[in-house]
Amino acid sequence: EVQLVESGGGLVKPGGSLRVSCAASGFTFINAWMSWVRQAPGKGLEWVGRVKSKTDGGTTDYAAPVKGRFTISRDDSKNTLYLQLSSLETEDTAVYYCVTYSNSWYWGQGTLVTVSS
Amino acid sequence: DIQMTQSPSSLSASVGDRVTITCRASQGISSLLAWYQQKPEKAPKSLIYAASSLQSGVPSRFSGSGSGTEFTLTISCLQPEDFATYYCQQYNSFPYTFGQGTKLQIK
Repeated sequence: EVQLVESGGGLVKPGGSLRVSCAASGFTFINAWMSWVRQAPGKGLEWVGRVKSKTDGGTTDYAAPVKGRFTISRDDSKNTLYLQLSSLETEDTAVYYCVTYSNSWYWGQGTLVTVSS
Repeated sequence: DIQMTQSPSSLSASVGDRVTITCRASQGISSLLAWYQQKPEKAPKSLIYAASSLQSGVPSRFSGSGSGTEFTLTISCLQPEDFATYYCQQYNSFPYTFGQGTKLQIK
């Protein structure tokens, strides 16, 4: 069974940084392309970015609102995906979901990041 | 970026009704479309992938169809647990994009 468990969310001040993690199991993580999606309170869903598997180049792609501020990385030895959030703005307040495709789409339960002074 | 437009934005229906939600893409996306159900304070739940393939464990009253730019999600006989918000998502090209959501409410 595919499981994705996010952690590391919390309250951070504008301009600050935070790293959230996603522990994966139930599929071959090393071969998977992994993504982050966010949802601001009361709003719709927004794709943040993705990282390809190392065999597919291991490259990252980001949505325009976060490019240059957020960094996605992976540790295949730990089956873990990371999202480093920097230069945070109040508009980055959202639940952040870890997502992958393994014959269909799978989502974690999300972790809340609140940016507020 | 590919724009995804869902209609209607909200819908009132009764238990037992058949409902259809439409999703249009601003350019062709082949069959690379997914549908999700989301309830308040919960993560989205995958219903359909590849436009018409039912996610394992999802009831057969849910079905998807379409290709290219026009897609539909149909719920054949609404159950009380189906009242939620539904989203479509294209994964043909990055950034993957979502529709704005359709809120299905009890009439």
